[in-house]
Amino acid sequence: AQSVAQPEDQVNVAEGNPLTVKCTYSVSGNPYLFWYVQYPNRGLQFLLKYITGDNLVKGSYGFEAEFNKSQTSFHLKKPSALVSDSALYFCAVRDGYSSASKIIFGSGTRLSIRP
Amino acid sequence: NAGVTQTPKFRILKIGQSMTLQCTQDMNHNYMYWYRQDPGMGLKLIYYSVGAGITDKGEVPNGYNVSRSTTEDFPLRLELAAPSQTSVYFCASTRQGTGVGGELFFGEGSRLTVL
Repeated sequence: AQSVAQPEDQVNVAEGNPLTVKCTYSVSGNPYLFWYVQYPNRGLQFLLKYITGDNLVKGSYGFEAEFNKSQTSFHLKKPSALVSDSALYFCAVRDGYSSASKIIFGSGTRLSIRP
Repeated sequence: NAGVTQTPKFRILKIGQSMTLQCTQDMNHNYMYWYRQDPGMGLKLIYYSVGAGITDKGEVPNGYNVSRSTTEDFPLRLELAAPSQTSVYFCASTRQGTGVGGELFFGEGSRLTVL
């Protein structure tokens, strides 16, 4: 069965420093991987996805993620954190290969950026 | 452009009552989903639909029902509400289907409390 894990419940970073939010996955076949962000009292918003091609994927709000097949990881990164990046971040992986296949979400990582 | 609209935003139910959470999208998306989000947990899929007239169970369907009579609307029905159904409910839609990389568009959520 496909699965995704976010090993950190919370990540704390000072504004201006680089940030990393970790995600590892377990799939059979080619993974499709996603990152979503949830601001307080809002629905989730899509940030970026990896399907194929370049291992470094660029997304919204200056975020990027690196797909690493050997380490089965898809960590979310940003070179310089902003206080406004404070939110709940979810990694997700597709569970199957047809258009009707669902995606499985990780448990989420709360990112806190201090001024 | 409204996107995905959910109503109501908040509701308190008594045990045994029933209610319907409404979801409508104006993006002409075929694929629609209902998730629940419990504190400290990721999102769990309740039901999904790949088009009008077609619905299927997700990971946690017990106690819920859905219908999809039009492309735009995907209501979620709670029968005989129980405290275990206290949660935040999110409706989402996508054009392509998540299994082929489709990006989900989420509503703002409906916070339900069962007392």
